[in-house]
Amino acid sequence: EPEVTQTPSHQVTQMGQEVILRCVPISNHLYFYWYRQILGQKVEFLVSFYNNEISEKSEIFDDQFSVERPDGSNFTLKIRSTKLEDSAMYFCASTTESAVTQYFGPGTRLTVL
Amino acid sequence: QKEVEQNSGPLSVPEGAIASLNCTYSDRGSQSFFWYRQYSGKSPELIMSIYSNGDKEDGRFTAQLNKASQYVSLLIRDSQPSDSATYLCAVINFGNEKLTFGTGTRLTIIP
Repeated sequence: EPEVTQTPSHQVTQMGQEVILRCVPISNHLYFYWYRQILGQKVEFLVSFYNNEISEKSEIFDDQFSVERPDGSNFTLKIRSTKLEDSAMYFCASTTESAVTQYFGPGTRLTVL
Repeated sequence: QKEVEQNSGPLSVPEGAIASLNCTYSDRGSQSFFWYRQYSGKSPELIMSIYSNGDKEDGRFTAQLNKASQYVSLLIRDSQPSDSATYLCAVINFGNEKLTFGTGTRLTIIP
């Protein structure tokens, strides 16, 4: 069964450094998402991406964040200058069409020191 | 604020019994409803989706949706220790694509 994959599984970085989190969505999916979950808190939406552009973003997704689909398979989340409060699990998700089931990848645990 | 509310638990249920999980949502425009299961340190895993009023059954799981009461529930029959996890209720509001999650209910099945 096709799955969303994410790399790395754990990323440790120093405050102020740039990080890129990578995702490979399910191959026939058209809508892509990033969510994050701070330890002990709920899953929060960051951004959705369709047809090579951002379709929706949350207040969390400020100028420090960007997303890209550099080729036909990868979907990346870049944080330009990480802060301590960016420490969280970051989940990529994908789906075939809007407003239906989203399938989540295993997540990347980002630790900012 | 468009919120999804869940009792955080923990909810303890004996093995073999029925576990009942509840969720309310504030936006009447919500159109799609989901239950995800999340084991500690893992990603959300879809259990059920429901889009119209009534019941939807899949194996041991039944989702119930009542849009008039803005209420969605999940019943787990014949609970197993492997069902011990946090259950996340999530909705998609009309005109949006994002999932809005509740805080989750931690369920423990007691052998």
